Amino acid sequence: DAGVIQSPRHEVTEMGQEVTLRCKPISGHNSLFWYRQTMMRGLELLIYFNNNVPIDDSGMPEDRFSAKMPNASFSTLKIQPSEPRDSAVYFCASSPTTSGSIYEQFFGPGTRLTVL
Amino acid sequence: AQSVTQPDIHITVSEGASLELRCNYSYGATPYLFWYVQSPGQGLQLLLKYFSGDTLVQGIKGFEAEFKRSQSSFNLRKPSVHWSDAAEYFCAVGEDSNYQLIWGAGTKLIIKP
Repeated sequence: DAGVIQSPRHEVTEMGQEVTLRCKPISGHNSLFWYRQTMMRGLELLIYFNNNVPIDDSGMPEDRFSAKMPNASFSTLKIQPSEPRDSAVYFCASSPTTSGSIYEQFFGPGTRLTVL
Repeated sequence: AQSVTQPDIHITVSEGASLELRCNYSYGATPYLFWYVQSPGQGLQLLLKYFSGDTLVQGIKGFEAEFKRSQSSFNLRKPSVHWSDAAEYFCAVGEDSNYQLIWGAGTKLIIKP
């Protein structure tokens, strides 16, 4: 398996622009997580999907952030409009739902976002 | 609320020396416990996990961790570190009530030659 795939790996944009981050989870995994990592705040869970349905989006910072999972093999995280404080590394992770393994999360390589 | 504490932000050890990274958690029931490693510029990779059974668990890259219920700890150990072990290490706890992991703040491991 190719693992969790994220694109782009790096994104540089200007304040006010729309940014879309993409994630392809591992095939067969039913849960998908979007995280943000910064030096100041560490690793923060933004949103969690189970079977393509958003279960917990309490970590989404504000209305500028939105996430979708139209099918089991694709998810997007969108920031519109972007701000410099959104600069961070965004990780996508997926997890199987086999009992005993449900919490084991497999991470993608991340997207490093820089908003100028 | 559940929490995970990694008291050491940075740890420096000499190559070939032993290593112990500390992790304490606050959780009422028996937790699901994990250690992940993040190399510079990379995503997080699972090192080992504890769900139940033997409290000493073996992981990849020669790491092991011991679950001590009485101390609410899950410390990570390695008998002899290699320069390639330089990375950031995260402890995490899984909650019974949902699928989320509660993450520690991470410990950055620096290896002296």
